[in-house]
Amino acid sequence: ELKVEQNPLFLSMQEGKNYTIYCNYSTTSDRLYWYRQDPGKSLESLFVLLSNGAVKQEGRLMASLDTKARLSTLHITAAVHDLSATYFCAVANRDDKIIFGKGTRLHILP
Amino acid sequence: EPEVTQTPSHQVTQMGQEVILRCVPISNHLYFYWYRQILGQKVEFLVSFYNNEISEKSEIFDDQFSVERPDGSNFTLKIRSTKLEDSAMYFCATRTALAKNIQYFGAGTRLSVL
Repeated sequence: ELKVEQNPLFLSMQEGKNYTIYCNYSTTSDRLYWYRQDPGKSLESLFVLLSNGAVKQEGRLMASLDTKARLSTLHITAAVHDLSATYFCAVANRDDKIIFGKGTRLHILP
Repeated sequence: EPEVTQTPSHQVTQMGQEVILRCVPISNHLYFYWYRQILGQKVEFLVSFYNNEISEKSEIFDDQFSVERPDGSNFTLKIRSTKLEDSAMYFCATRTALAKNIQYFGAGTRLSVL
C-alpha cells in the first residue's frame, strides 16, 4: 500500500529564512506532486516530478526528487509572508490514484 | 484559462438525506476523480472514472457513494444517506487522456451534514 509521509507537519518561520519540507513515500511511483492550499481554497499544483534527480524551481520554491531514496524535498528560499499556506506532497500509483501526505502547514512570520 | 467547475460551493444537509455534488470538467478531459478533505486533514482519494466506468475506488467509497456522468458533461458524486462524518470538502479533478501527469482540481464543494 502506497503511503506518503511529510515532515514537519507544522512549520513557523521568520521571513528571510530558508527551510525544507520532506516527503517520503513507501513504494515505487512514477509521479510526485507538490500542491499548495490556502485556507478554504482548492489545491494549486506547484510541481510535478517525474524522474530521479528531477529538480524544478518556481520563484522561492524548489522541489527535488530522489526515487531511490523515495524522497522529495520542497525547499523555501528567503521566505516571504505570501508563502504561508499548507503544502501537500502527493504520489501517484500505477493506477492513477493520487495519495496525499498530511500536509505541512507553513506559517511565515513578518 | 479553462477550469473545472463545481457546484454548489457549499451544501448543507440533514443527516440521512441524499446529496448530489456536481462537477463540470474541462471540455476535452475524459478522466475524472473525486477526492475529499475532512477539515484540517489530508486530501483522500475517493474514486476515478473513465469511459463511464469506475476505474478505481478507495475503501472510503462504500455503497453509500456513487458516481455517474448523466448527460455527457456533468460528473456527479451522490451520497445516498449522509452521515455526520461525511462533512468535508469534496474536490473534483479531471485530466486529458494524454496528460496523465496533471489533474486539474475544482474549487471544491463544502458539505456540511447536520
